[in-house]
Amino acid sequence: ETGVTQTPRHLVMGMTNKKSLKCEQHLGHNAMYWYKQSAKKPLELMFVYNFKEQTENNSVPSRFSPECPNSSHLFLHLHTLQPEDSALYLCASSQGIFYEQYFGPGTRLTVT
Amino acid sequence: KNEVEQSPQNLTAQEGEFITINCSYSVGISALHWLQQHPGGGIVSLFMLSSGKKKHGRLIATINIQEKHSSLHITASHPRDSAVYICAGHTGNQFYFGTGTSLTVIP
Repeated sequence: ETGVTQTPRHLVMGMTNKKSLKCEQHLGHNAMYWYKQSAKKPLELMFVYNFKEQTENNSVPSRFSPECPNSSHLFLHLHTLQPEDSALYLCASSQGIFYEQYFGPGTRLTVT
Repeated sequence: KNEVEQSPQNLTAQEGEFITINCSYSVGISALHWLQQHPGGGIVSLFMLSSGKKKHGRLIATINIQEKHSSLHITASHPRDSAVYICAGHTGNQFYFGTGTSLTVIP
């Protein structure tokens, strides 16, 4: 068990839908991350939260909106996505920022 | 050109072989991570190192800061080692990922 859970595991949504991805960590960590992994491309770091404060936003389009209500939960709100946003979205947590990270199983997102 | 380059991109080995995966980076980094990703997507952090060498079971990771190079070695490889191995360097709030090395170990 990784200690980091993500729901849903699979999501298919139309371009006009609004959906949210959820991540929860049971490790007592202070930092949480969202990553995007597209086919044939390197992992892309999207957002970083440290003690519930966003410390990094790597030029991510505004159709992706993160939310970190507490150190254990991280959400990624999705709206008006494009087909090229189809990818595996991974959540991770670590004790401190950029310490060894523990990854969730990911959400496989397909935008139709 | 990616800031982090891995080689080889694909690797097939016979069970029991000694395996080396290389990672070179062109930016200054605070630490380097080796990650393992199994089919289905799950990622496990294998090592985080900023100097020298670390060992965990059959896995060994080394880093040469001056040469901006790291290697991941697997001794006595096993089919369960089949996965994608990803090298990543970080500095400040930036994270640079390699494209991964796909390893297949044949029984």
